[in-house]
Amino acid sequence: AQSVTQPDIHITVSEGASLELRCNYSYGATPYLFWYVQSPGQGLQLLLKYFSGDTLVQGIKGFEAEFKRSQSSFNLRKPSVHWSDAAEYFCAVVQNTGGFKTIFGAGTRLFVKA
Amino acid sequence: DTEVTQTPKHLVMGMTNKKSLKCEQHMGHRAMYWYKQKAKKPPELMFVYSYEKLSINESVPSRFSPECPNSSLLNLHLHALQPEDSALYLCASSQEGTGQYFGPGTRLTVT
Repeated sequence: AQSVTQPDIHITVSEGASLELRCNYSYGATPYLFWYVQSPGQGLQLLLKYFSGDTLVQGIKGFEAEFKRSQSSFNLRKPSVHWSDAAEYFCAVVQNTGGFKTIFGAGTRLFVKA
Repeated sequence: DTEVTQTPKHLVMGMTNKKSLKCEQHMGHRAMYWYKQKAKKPPELMFVYSYEKLSINESVPSRFSPECPNSSLLNLHLHALQPEDSALYLCASSQEGTGQYFGPGTRLTVT
């Protein structure tokens, strides 16, 4: 069965420092992979997605992610974190089972310190 | 317009009430979703509609009844809910598997 693992429950970084959030997936075929961000009490916002092609994908808000098939990973990065980036981040994979079902990781809570 | 709207924002209901949650999108997306999210957890898929037909039901109790009146609207009818059903209910839409657009959610409290 497909699954998504985010090993870090929470991460704290200083404002201006670089960020990497880890995501590992289990999927038989080439996966559709996504990162979403959720601020407290809000809905989720799509940051970026990978379907095929270039393994480094750019997203909104200065985020990027790299797909590494050999490591079954899709890590999210940002070179310089802003205080407004503090939120919950979810990695997800979509499986097509007659309808498009998204499987979310457990999430990583990002704290940003001044 | 890349917005998914949900009403109401907050809802408090008793266990014998009947209420409905509403969701609307005008992006031409043909897949729409209902999720339930508990605090500090990822969203749990409840239902998927594809081209206005129910394509996935994740074994949700019958006290939750989805409806897709047209390609832009999605409703979730609630009846005889339990306190453990209190959660944030999220609606989303997508063009097939291309990434979902989420609404802000309805915060539901069952008393």
